[in-house]
Amino acid sequence: QVQLQQWGAGLLKPSETLSLTCAVYGGSFSGYYWTWIRQSPGKGLEWIGEINHSGNTNYTPSLKSRVTLSVDMSKSQFSLKLSSVTAADTAVYYCARGRTGDWIFDYWGQGALVTVSS
Amino acid sequence: DIQMTQSPSTLSASVGDRVTITCRASQSISTWLAWYQQKPGKAPNLLIYKASTLESGVPSRFSGSGSGTEFTLTITSLQPDDFATYYCQQYNSYPYTFGQGTRLEIK
Repeated sequence: QVQLQQWGAGLLKPSETLSLTCAVYGGSFSGYYWTWIRQSPGKGLEWIGEINHSGNTNYTPSLKSRVTLSVDMSKSQFSLKLSSVTAADTAVYYCARGRTGDWIFDYWGQGALVTVSS
Repeated sequence: DIQMTQSPSTLSASVGDRVTITCRASQSISTWLAWYQQKPGKAPNLLIYKASTLESGVPSRFSGSGSGTEFTLTITSLQPDDFATYYCQQYNSYPYTFGQGTRLEIK
């Protein structure tokens, strides 16, 4: 059974960098797009970006200048960094597995609330 | 970006009812549409992809239809476990986008 477990700092000050990591247990790490999605009351569900095992990435244009995705195949982990955060980045952040070919999200992490406040 | 608009925003129904949720795309997305169910405090759960293909393990009372710009999710014979929020998502083109959600509540 595939499980995604995520962790990272939950409280940030404006201008700091958000950092989250997601570990994948069970199943193959190759052959999928590993994805970050966030959810806030104001903007609903927002796709942030994706990365595959080779490091190929796609980002949403509105966040592209501030987002970095990375992958560590040796640990079956992938990570999100979002720089220069503001209160607008306050959200629950999810990692998810993107199924190649169908491009939908079939396994999700438990979610992590990240709050940006001075 | 492709805008996804769901209706209604809230739907009140009773156990045993048949309900339909609509999702409209701002441009054609063929059948590259998925539906998710989300319960409070939990991650979304994939129900349907490619507009009408039921994900493994999802009860057959859930069904999806549509193509182009208009899609529907139908739940026949509502069960207590079905009261949740439902989202559509397009994966026709980047950036992938979601509808704003439809909250299905008990009447």
